[in-house]
Amino acid sequence: GDSVTQMEGPVTLSEEAFLTINCTYTATGYPSLFWYVQYPGEGLQLLLKATKADDKGSNKGFEATYRKETTSFHLEKGSVQVSDSAVYFCALGKFYFGSGTKLNVKP
Amino acid sequence: DTEVTQTPKHLVMGMTNKKSLKCEQHMGHRAMYWYKQKAKKPPELMFVYSYEKLSINESVPSRFSPECPNSSLLNLHLHALQPEDSALYLCASSQAPSLPEGGSTGELFFGEGSRLTVL
Repeated sequence: GDSVTQMEGPVTLSEEAFLTINCTYTATGYPSLFWYVQYPGEGLQLLLKATKADDKGSNKGFEATYRKETTSFHLEKGSVQVSDSAVYFCALGKFYFGSGTKLNVKP
Repeated sequence: DTEVTQTPKHLVMGMTNKKSLKCEQHMGHRAMYWYKQKAKKPPELMFVYSYEKLSINESVPSRFSPECPNSSLLNLHLHALQPEDSALYLCASSQAPSLPEGGSTGELFFGEGSRLTVL
């Protein structure tokens, strides 16, 4: 069946460091892939999405590329800020979420 | 600001109480969802309504009863809950319904959630 595997956290970085959060998936068909972000006490917000192979989603300096050959959708950001501290979820379609990765960015 | 509104934000109830969670969206979306999220866990799908009809029930206990009065509103009626039901309950909507087997392209729009504590 479909599933998403996401790297365990927490991830702790200093401000301006490079971020990678790994996400791999197993899917039948050709679903869209998403990254959602959840700040403390809030619901999930869409960060970026990609609807087909080789698509690159981007938003607020974050990027992820839908890689069919490696079944991956890794999240990257070149320079993180303290305000990026949150939990990040990789998702396959509407029903399959990764376990979440907590990001802590220190000043 | 989220376009999916959930009330109440916080709810404390006893195991014998009856309460309801409410969700509203005015984006014209035709699919609405309830998810349950425990601390440090991802959201777990509970129910999906497509065109105001229940299309998915993920084997949720009957003490949770969903209702979709119209295309903009979604309720979750709670009765005889257990302490382990304490969680953040998230409502979401999407433009187009879909089934897990069929995949989907549209994203979910989440509300901020209702934090439920069962004593």
